[in-house]
Amino acid sequence: SAVISQKPSRDICQRGTSLTIQCQVDSQVTMMFWYRQQPGQSLTLIATANQGSEATYESGFVIDKFPISRPNLTFSTLTVSNMSPEDSSIYLCSVEDNTEQYFGPGTRLTVT
Amino acid sequence: GNSVTQMEGPVTLSEEAFLTINCTYTATGYPSLFWYVQYPGEGLQLLLKATKADDKGSNKGFEATYRKETTSFHLEKGSVQVSDSAVYFCAEGGGTSYGKLTFGQGTILTVHP
Repeated sequence: SAVISQKPSRDICQRGTSLTIQCQVDSQVTMMFWYRQQPGQSLTLIATANQGSEATYESGFVIDKFPISRPNLTFSTLTVSNMSPEDSSIYLCSVEDNTEQYFGPGTRLTVT
Repeated sequence: GNSVTQMEGPVTLSEEAFLTINCTYTATGYPSLFWYVQYPGEGLQLLLKATKADDKGSNKGFEATYRKETTSFHLEKGSVQVSDSAVYFCAEGGGTSYGKLTFGQGTILTVHP
């Protein structure tokens, strides 16, 4: 099974600033995914990140707001840009490994 | 787009009670179906899954059967414990990638001694 770590685990940021979240996997995986869990709500897929190509964004999410990097098969970053209080959420990294889906512990972001 | 609907929560039960959390989906074809659990302060964990019609997923005393005719995947446990208190998410994912999952809204379960 894949073990996923995320940094930071939580942060409090001021509106208008940006935060980059890191996701590290202990094995090489083809596809990595970024999800958002808004307070009291379910998880929503933001984008899919494949190594060597641009991320694919879901409806309602754009690259300018959530730029993603995928420099190798074990690492990815998600940046939340020009933050507003509405971006306060838990951001989770996820990978598909041998038909199983694994999730990181999440990054709890609060925007003030 | 596809959607997953879970029963309204929160659910509060006494220890050893029977649990059912209803889940229905709208995806056409034969998506894979999942139940994930999020214990307090922890990350999301896969509880069980089923990949084809009439399959039964089971783990830790929990069961769910893939019902194509009713597009449902209800979670059941015969006797809940206090340690089962958590948030439960139903999800579906199709095609060659399970990674693009559509989640239900989550059901908070609290079990009292």
